[in-house]
Amino acid sequence: GEDVEQSLFLSVREGDSSVINCTYTDSSSTYLYWYKQEPGAGLQLLTYIFSNMDMKQDQRLTVLLNKKDKHLSLRIADTQTGDSAIYFCAESGGGRDDKIIFGKGTRLHILP
Amino acid sequence: GAVVSQHPSRVICKSGTSVKIECRSLDFQATTMFWYRQFPKQSLMLMATSNEGSKATYEQGVEKDKFLINHASLTLSTLTVTSAHPEDSSFYICSARKSGVGPQPQHFGDGTRLSIL
Repeated sequence: GEDVEQSLFLSVREGDSSVINCTYTDSSSTYLYWYKQEPGAGLQLLTYIFSNMDMKQDQRLTVLLNKKDKHLSLRIADTQTGDSAIYFCAESGGGRDDKIIFGKGTRLHILP
Repeated sequence: GAVVSQHPSRVICKSGTSVKIECRSLDFQATTMFWYRQFPKQSLMLMATSNEGSKATYEQGVEKDKFLINHASLTLSTLTVTSAHPEDSSFYICSARKSGVGPQPQHFGDGTRLSIL
């Protein structure tokens, strides 16, 4: 079945760039998403990318998609303490009634 | 923007109580809403897909008589946990997808933390 994999933890120094990686298995995925979850809160849609795009940039966020390798990454430039959260990679499409398949989430820890 | 409001944010109640959680799309119409459950340090587990004006579609293993879903309008879906027990304690999150042509991203509420004593 469809699967989304991402590393569970990432530690980055404040001011450096964070790169969170994700792989997925469904080659018919239409949309790929990055969601952010702060402690005790719901999910915030950070950005999403169509499967026919290679890159999308929005302020400090850059999403790269390698469709051939089914690899998605999220780069956060100039990481701040407020970026500390869990980041979920997700995908939808492929005739699954737009159900989203989530990864297990990457916990981003900011070092002073 | 696309704002989804979920209410209440936290519920603590005794075993056997039924609890209703509301999910509202505030500035858009949502033909489809989704209900998820999240266990501590886990990803989201889709419970059911709620379609306006029709019956919800439940995922395998989710008891439809236990988790009642109603989607009576294009801006409101409700999840009722009937006769809740301690094992139902969890973080419940809803999402709403804008009505429109083609796939649309889901926008999430802030979640409801349910604690059953």
